[in-house]
Amino acid sequence: GDSVTQMEGPVTLSEEAFLTINCTYTATGYPSLFWYVQYPGEGLQLLLKATKADDKGSNKGFEATYRKETTSFHLEKGSVQVSDSAVYFCALSDQSNTDKLIFGTGTRLQVFP
Amino acid sequence: NAGVTQTPKFQVLKTGQSMTLQCAQDMNHEYMSWYRQDPGMGLRLIHYSVGAGITDQGEVPNGYNVSRSTTEDFPLRLLSAAPSQTSVYFCASTNWGGDRGYGYTFGSGTRLTVV
Repeated sequence: GDSVTQMEGPVTLSEEAFLTINCTYTATGYPSLFWYVQYPGEGLQLLLKATKADDKGSNKGFEATYRKETTSFHLEKGSVQVSDSAVYFCALSDQSNTDKLIFGTGTRLQVFP
Repeated sequence: NAGVTQTPKFQVLKTGQSMTLQCAQDMNHEYMSWYRQDPGMGLRLIHYSVGAGITDQGEVPNGYNVSRSTTEDFPLRLLSAAPSQTSVYFCASTNWGGDRGYGYTFGSGTRLTVV
């Protein structure tokens, strides 16, 4: 079945460092791909998305490119801030599988001043 | 402009008790779903609904029931609570059709403890 694999955390960085969180997927169809962010004590918020191969999603300085050839959707940010500390979830929604949203296990990011 | 509203935010149950977690959305979304979030396991789909009167099971449906009598509401019922159901529960909704890349809107969660 469809699945999402994320790198394990926590990821610990100093402020202004470069961030990469790896995400790969397995899907039978042509999924849409998402990154969600969960700040402490809150629900999930959509961070960015891409709906087809080679699309680049971007928001708040974060970017991710839908790579069909490597089945990947890695999250990047050039300069992280303390306020970026949160748990990041990669997810896919497969139109050929009733649009169910399938999540990775999440990666905790900790940014220190 | 409430989005997805979940109640209660916190709940403690005794083993064997039953309860209903409420979820309501005001965006006229057709698709609604319930997830549970456990440490190291991400979010797992419990049940989902593609429209009023239609529900289906997700990855971990045992011990839970749902119904969808209206577009707005999608309650989750715990039939006989067990400690293994201690978790944080999230309700989410989205639209069908057209650009399915809308993404999902999540509620703020219900933290349930079963003792």
